[in-house]
Amino acid sequence: SQQGEEDPQALSIQEGENATMNCSYKTSINNLQWYRQNSGRGLVHLILIRSNEREKHSGRLRVTLDTSKKSSSLLITASRAADTASYFCATDGRDDKIIFGKGTRLHILP
Amino acid sequence: GAVVSQHPSWVICKSGTSVKIECRSLDFQATTMFWYRQFPKQSLMLMATSNEGSKATYEQGVEKDKFLINHASLTLSTLTVTSAHPEDSSFYICSALGLAGSQETQYFGPGTRLLVL
Repeated sequence: SQQGEEDPQALSIQEGENATMNCSYKTSINNLQWYRQNSGRGLVHLILIRSNEREKHSGRLRVTLDTSKKSSSLLITASRAADTASYFCATDGRDDKIIFGKGTRLHILP
Repeated sequence: GAVVSQHPSWVICKSGTSVKIECRSLDFQATTMFWYRQFPKQSLMLMATSNEGSKATYEQGVEKDKFLINHASLTLSTLTVTSAHPEDSSFYICSALGLAGSQETQYFGPGTRLLVL
């Protein structure tokens, strides 16, 4: 069964606005990661947040983790055209196997 | 941070040939590496778990004779797609288990795009 599940599946916003994506998971985790995938390109690691952390920042990215709700959010502030991509959350499941969600396709409109 | 590389990043081959993809952990040792496959507009699917010095563990539905995995050293795992067919065309991604602080976590390679003609 799928561990990480992002919502929304697709999101279109105007350039300059903030984009928020959510991820829910089912079982306890050690850490949660967010990745970006540009069309036709490989995964790019954005940020890792550990289970004992609640919030983490990296540039225009802000990730929160609520282990009681088994959910995480990725906020991209002041979005840019280059932020157009698919964003995946990934959690470590059983046997150290990392499980990806289906991703959120983010489209930044000019 | 931990870096994982894959080679080649792009490969085109004829149907029936074999293709080898390398996955290397550049600045850390990884006893465990994973191989994933991604079809267009779908999420990553775990194919197999590669353990250094032992046989890989394949996920259900993945043919071990079709996708040969070798993890001969602590920094290198290879995936060989044997007798490739057009339906094997996909994006192959590896990951390696490393440490984030004291916590073990996975670091992903950039992926290899395979196109079988």
